[in-house]
Amino acid sequence: DTGVSQDPRHKITKRGQNVTFRCDPISEHNRLYWYRQTLGQGPEFLTYFQNEAQLEKSRLLSDRFSAERPKGSFSTLEIQRTEQGDSAMYLCASSPSGRANTGELFFGEGSRLTVL
Amino acid sequence: AQTVTQSQPEMSVQEAETVTLSCTYDTSESDYYLFWYKQPPSRQMILVIRQEAYKQQNATENRFSVNFQKAAKSFSLKISDSQLGDAAMYFCAYRSGYTGNQFYFGTGTSLTVIP
Repeated sequence: DTGVSQDPRHKITKRGQNVTFRCDPISEHNRLYWYRQTLGQGPEFLTYFQNEAQLEKSRLLSDRFSAERPKGSFSTLEIQRTEQGDSAMYLCASSPSGRANTGELFFGEGSRLTVL
Repeated sequence: AQTVTQSQPEMSVQEAETVTLSCTYDTSESDYYLFWYKQPPSRQMILVIRQEAYKQQNATENRFSVNFQKAAKSFSLKISDSQLGDAAMYFCAYRSGYTGNQFYFGTGTSLTVIP
């Protein structure tokens, strides 16, 4: 199956450490999104890429967060100097553009971050 | 910013019965899309059903249908003949037809299906 895959699925870290998550979208999808989901809440938009260009960033994406998609394929989301408030599920989603775009997002299973 | 409200944190339904999940949204836009996503425990979110705002006809996908009331900004999901596999979190989501890159999600409704 060539769905959206995320790695790692779970990450436990100590406050102040850096963490990096990886997302591999569906291969023919040129749009890639990162969302954050905390307990009891719906996903909140973090950032969006079209190919390698980061076109939108949420105010939620503080200076400690950086996302890249260097070759327009996989993407990484790095959180520096983690804080306990960063504990959440980080969801990656992808979608095609143009005529193939039905508006649907295809989600990965998420990367759960716990900051101690 | 658009807001999506799901006022039912939890719902339950007997197997084979029908349940309706509520969703309201707030927008000043005329072109938009609405979605219901399902998130089973420890599994990825998958699309259940979508509705384009310009379409008056309510979307239907097998046992899932919506009641789209554009003037009231209401978008409820009806699940007929509920099955055990329908147990999940259900999220209502809004996407602008203009900017289109951000989805706004509600806080979700946890659905329990009772055998």
